[in-house]
Amino acid sequence: EDKVVQSPLSLVVHEGDTVTLNCSYEVTNFRSLLWYKQEKKAPTFLFMLTSSGIEKKSGRLSSILDKKELFSILNITATQTGDSAVYLCAVSTFISSGSARQLTFGSGTQLTVLP
Amino acid sequence: DSGVTQTPKHLITATGQRVTLRCSPRSGDLSVYWYQQSLDQGLQFLIQYYNGEERAKGNILERFSAQQFPDLHSELNLSSLELGDSALYFCASSPNTGAAYGYTFGSGTRLTVV
Repeated sequence: EDKVVQSPLSLVVHEGDTVTLNCSYEVTNFRSLLWYKQEKKAPTFLFMLTSSGIEKKSGRLSSILDKKELFSILNITATQTGDSAVYLCAVSTFISSGSARQLTFGSGTQLTVLP
Repeated sequence: DSGVTQTPKHLITATGQRVTLRCSPRSGDLSVYWYQQSLDQGLQFLIQYYNGEERAKGNILERFSAQQFPDLHSELNLSSLELGDSALYFCASSPNTGAAYGYTFGSGTRLTVV
């Protein structure tokens, strides 16, 4: 059974701090790893990673994948109160026909940024 | 607005009842996925439809069923509701059969069973 584990479960920091969120996975036929941000409702897409060692960056957020060690990290620098959310990691895998399965999600990391 | 529309936004119903949740995928997307999110379980995959046909099944209870219509909208039917079915139900869509490039999520339907 495919498994995605995120840590920590919850994190409370002050504005300006830097945080690192972790995601490890054990899946068959890895295709890609995705990060989502969930505030009040629908998860919104942040990054998709398919290759090891290539950092994806968007403003203060960055992410990298290690396919050998089967994990990814999401970094947020100079955090702001608006970064408070649940951050979800998800993995997509191939099935035998070559197409990808549905995403398997981790349980998320609840980030709270205090002013 | 993500382009994925879910109705209703909130639903409160009694145990034993039956409800239907509706989802319209983003224009051009052929796959629809249903997920259940409860506080202690995270996002749990229920079922996927692609172009009208069931494509994959996850941890969907026998009391639950879904379908995708010719216009590609999808409905999730939940029957004999129990208190434990209270959750946020998300629909997501993707262009193809799989989720290699991720999903676009709707805003969810919050179901409360009392």
